[in-house]
Amino acid sequence: DGGITQSPKYLFRKEGQNVTLSCEQNLNHDAMYWYRQDPGQGLRLIYYSQIVNDFQKGDIAEGYSVSREKKESFPLTVTSAQKNPTAFYLCASSSREYNIYGYTFGSGTRLTVV
Amino acid sequence: KQEVTQIPAALSVPEGENLVLNCSFTDSAIYNLQWFRQDPGKGLTSLLLIQSSQREQTSGRLNASLDKSSGRSTLYIAASQPGDSATYLCAVDLFRGTYKYIFGTGTRLKVLA
Repeated sequence: DGGITQSPKYLFRKEGQNVTLSCEQNLNHDAMYWYRQDPGQGLRLIYYSQIVNDFQKGDIAEGYSVSREKKESFPLTVTSAQKNPTAFYLCASSSREYNIYGYTFGSGTRLTVV
Repeated sequence: KQEVTQIPAALSVPEGENLVLNCSFTDSAIYNLQWFRQDPGKGLTSLLLIQSSQREQTSGRLNASLDKSSGRSTLYIAASQPGDSATYLCAVDLFRGTYKYIFGTGTRLKVLA
């Protein structure tokens, strides 16, 4: 079955560490996105990519980095510069016909600073 | 700047009741609107997508309507069941080509058996 796989499901980060969240899709979608979800704040866009080797900052990109070397993969690195990284991170993708099919989401990664 | 609001933030209803969830947006120049369901600790599951040229979409017991001129969408759930308990989010896409959704904060629904 086609879908988006996020791993790991739970991730713990020590102060000063960089951690990388994985997002892989086999839907042949061109665009991929990373959102952060905090209680009571809704989803906020971190980064998005419309094609391979190209990506744009979203509303809260500071302290995060991404790469898009393959169409199927869009990993997110949470750097030590992100001062409040504890949150639920969601990856999504969409095709060029996203006006018909919309977004597809992964199951999320919960990141906790310890 | 587009803002998306969902009221109420939480709703509790007895099983079998028909209910309406609301989504309001400030800029009527949207490309499409999508409704999602989110169970606790899980990702988002797409329910319905309404294109800007459409007035409503239906899937089973769900019906979503769109009134761009008033900046509103409603999600109607018929004959609610305890399994419908979840958080419901709406998201709007700005004018074509932006590929960026703006999400509401959601309505947390609890259907009591």
